[in-house]
Amino acid sequence: RKEVEQDPGPFNVPEGATVAFNCTYSNSASQSFFWYRQDCRKEPKLLMSVYSSGNEDGRFTAQLNRASQYISLLIRDSKLSDSATYLCVVSSPSGGYNKLIFGAGTRLAVHP
Amino acid sequence: ETGVTQSPTHLIKTRGQQVTLRCSSQSGHNTVSWYQQALGQGPQFIFQYYREEENGRGNFPPRFSGLQFPNYSSELNVNALELDDSALYLCASSFGTAHNSPLHFGNGTRLTVT
Repeated sequence: RKEVEQDPGPFNVPEGATVAFNCTYSNSASQSFFWYRQDCRKEPKLLMSVYSSGNEDGRFTAQLNRASQYISLLIRDSKLSDSATYLCVVSSPSGGYNKLIFGAGTRLAVHP
Repeated sequence: ETGVTQSPTHLIKTRGQQVTLRCSSQSGHNTVSWYQQALGQGPQFIFQYYREEENGRGNFPPRFSGLQFPNYSSELNVNALELDDSALYLCASSFGTAHNSPLHFGNGTRLTVT
């Protein structure tokens, strides 16, 4: 089983739609959680950290369920510029250091 | 503030050769992590350097090695290149090694092994 699993998509949605991405992780000792965005042939960029109480940044809402080891990202009012791959990232302790583990990513394509 | 810079941008090598990739960390950052990203996959952790020492390593063979210099810049060396080493190599810097330290990535080096 992969340490971080995501639905690969692609999710094809019209502008203005609401779309949700899910992610599960296997290590219950994981401590920090992030969503990164990666545009085609570019480097990943931090979209937002995910906090236990859930957090929102404009049109983006992230949720964490530690009991189910589940993370979600909700995008409201999708824009064409939201088209990208969204990477779920989990920080897990490993041999005295913290390793950031990336999921394979979920592709989003927003069309007019 | 200077971001993470990597060189070269692209590289083509032949199987069996050796390659060195370079990374300058973002100003103020003292930790560098290297990742390999194959097409259609998420980045895979290779190793992390903190205070010039390897601080952690992923599931990569010993022919993947690295260095960190006093100015926190870093190198990734790969010996005896294999076709499967073709990938985007990403360097990321952060301040410290805490679990909640987000990574800031460079543009990556795209390596093709023929």
